[in-house]
Amino acid sequence: DIQMTQSPSSVSASVGDRVTITCRASQGISSWLAWYQQKPGKAPKLLIYAASSLQSGVPSRFSGSGSGTDFTLTISSLQPEDFATYYCQQANSFRITFGQGTRLEIK
Amino acid sequence: EVQLVQSGAEVKKPGESLKISCKGSGYSFTSYWIGWVRQMPGKGLEWMGIIYPGDSDTRYSPSFQGQVTISADKSISTAYLQWSSLKASDTAMYYCARRGSGAVAGTFDPWGQGTLVTVSS
Repeated sequence: DIQMTQSPSSVSASVGDRVTITCRASQGISSWLAWYQQKPGKAPKLLIYAASSLQSGVPSRFSGSGSGTDFTLTISSLQPEDFATYYCQQANSFRITFGQGTRLEIK
Repeated sequence: EVQLVQSGAEVKKPGESLKISCKGSGYSFTSYWIGWVRQMPGKGLEWMGIIYPGDSDTRYSPSFQGQVTISADKSISTAYLQWSSLKASDTAMYYCARRGSGAVAGTFDPWGQGTLVTVSS
């Protein structure tokens, strides 16, 4: 199976900061990568698909980039509602795998 | 509105069986794969398997093959996840989610609200 490794596992930041989370695949997945946001007690929410396409309704401060094995999720100016856990997911095959998650905390 | 609604929380004893459900609405249920994802307390997301309700084609993660059964009843737009003999280690939140197609192929949206399964003696 394709392994997905996120870094960092947690990050502390302040409102207004720019934050970048990275995700590395153990083998090339072209642009078959998605990013999700999960808040405590809630189901995950799709933010980014095809590595860089913004899901409808998601604020434009979220952006994704990358292809092959290395990907990033960037939040350009953190808002209070952005403090959550973020997961990457490879969509290259039916053998789906998620990254271990990155917890974004308030500094 | 496309929506997945899951059955309610369950409390079971080790060794008991269980079947939880995920009902789709607002779209053609037989035209999209439905996946199941486990989230153990305080942990990350684990893909369990996926089913295509149109023909019941089912794929399992190797980690869950033989441990659970995924099924669907297209007549009532409902997918299921079942256990024949629960273990304490099955305690987790379980989510269903619709797999996208076309440009969003391979992604999951929307998600059900989750079903909390607690297994304790």
